[in-house]
Amino acid sequence: EAGVVQSPRYKIIEKKQPVAFWCNPISGHNTLYWYLQNLGQGPELLIRYENEEAVDDSQLPKDRFSAERLKGVDSTLKIQPAELGDSAVYLCASSRWEGEDEQFFGPGTRLTVL
Amino acid sequence: GNSVTQMEGPVTLSEEAFLTINCTYTATGYPSLFWYVQYPGEGLQLLLKATKADDKGSNKGFEATYRKETTSFHLEKGSVQVSDSAVYFCALRTGANSKLTFGKGITLSVRP
Repeated sequence: EAGVVQSPRYKIIEKKQPVAFWCNPISGHNTLYWYLQNLGQGPELLIRYENEEAVDDSQLPKDRFSAERLKGVDSTLKIQPAELGDSAVYLCASSRWEGEDEQFFGPGTRLTVL
Repeated sequence: GNSVTQMEGPVTLSEEAFLTINCTYTATGYPSLFWYVQYPGEGLQLLLKATKADDKGSNKGFEATYRKETTSFHLEKGSVQVSDSAVYFCALRTGANSKLTFGKGITLSVRP
């Protein structure tokens, strides 16, 4: 069984540029999560999807961040425009359903904003 | 709100040494507790969990006991191996609809 796939693995951009991250969860997993992980910190939830519905986006900075999961499978997280403070690792995770304890994480995308 | 506090790292041990990584928590309600591990170049993966007080989670020689009276979930292993070198995160959630709250993580390096 393939794991959670994320691309790109690394991205370097200049501030004020847009950037997008892609995630393909494990097949059959209905719940998808995007996390932000700053250096030396644990992951923090940005948004959670149940199928194509965003059920918890309270931590997503909506002025510059957006996300979509149009067909309830893969998902895209976008930042526009990027700021220096957005440099971090962006993690995607999935689980079979909302209440399942175990989340499966992708390797993450490391974003550097210059 | 919910929070998880992990001991400061990094931790460096010799192979076959005993490992303890401390984790304490603050939570509303009765949380489920987790240890996730991140090996170099890989995504986080669930190592073990405990869902109620006095439960002991175990996996790959690691153990952690849910201590409600001390609000702790310390990770232990009797004899570490070089392959245990990774970052370890303690986490909690307080319900099926709630988010995972992670600690800062601690880096463990095991030398031969």
